[in-house]
Amino acid sequence: DTGVSQNPRHKITKRGQNVTFRCDPISEHNRLYWYRQTLGQGPEFLTYFQNEAQLEKSRLLSDRFSAERPKGSFSTLEIQRTEQGDSAMYLCASSLTGGRVTDTQYFGPGTRLTVL
Amino acid sequence: AQSVTQLGSHVSVSEGALVLLRCNYSSSVPPYLFWYVQYPNQGLQLLLKYTSAATLVKGINGFEAEFKKSETSFHLTKPSAHMSDAAEYFCAVSASGGSYIPTFGRGTSLIVHP
Repeated sequence: DTGVSQNPRHKITKRGQNVTFRCDPISEHNRLYWYRQTLGQGPEFLTYFQNEAQLEKSRLLSDRFSAERPKGSFSTLEIQRTEQGDSAMYLCASSLTGGRVTDTQYFGPGTRLTVL
Repeated sequence: AQSVTQLGSHVSVSEGALVLLRCNYSSSVPPYLFWYVQYPNQGLQLLLKYTSAATLVKGINGFEAEFKKSETSFHLTKPSAHMSDAAEYFCAVSASGGSYIPTFGRGTSLIVHP
């Protein structure tokens, strides 16, 4: 069990550019979550996948944001036409959910995005 | 709908003193409750969770929390603070069914003085 990994760890971009982040969950986990965390706040839910299906999206996820999990393994989060307000830590988490298993989410180290 | 309120954005204790971090929740269904710790520039690590079994939950690093339904509280305690406990602590609540998506509090920064 190598844990949840995220790449890159840091990303600095100019306003208007597109960025893409990657998350590799714990291998047997069927659920994958994306969160955004701004300074002084707790994580805010963006979206989640069960296997390859995207089951829920937050109203925070504007049309500039898109997430995929094409084979039910790793996931990508893309932000198009970045704005300074997108600057935040983007966290990924995964869990094994189903049956009588209690959902516990395991978090990756996050990708810190700075939009100049 | 569910929500979490963490009382006190900063808590300062001396090394060896009792740690008490407060969390009150609101949930329309029986909740699952969690405490996570976050060290600088790292992701969140689960300390402990309540899932409707024992109301006193023991976690890692000597932390424990007690679920009190009548007070809608899930306060985190540790008998003796260590310098390494200095971090940001988040309480979270999720519904005990459905998508399990947690709602996090704003966090409490624990400061430990030597």
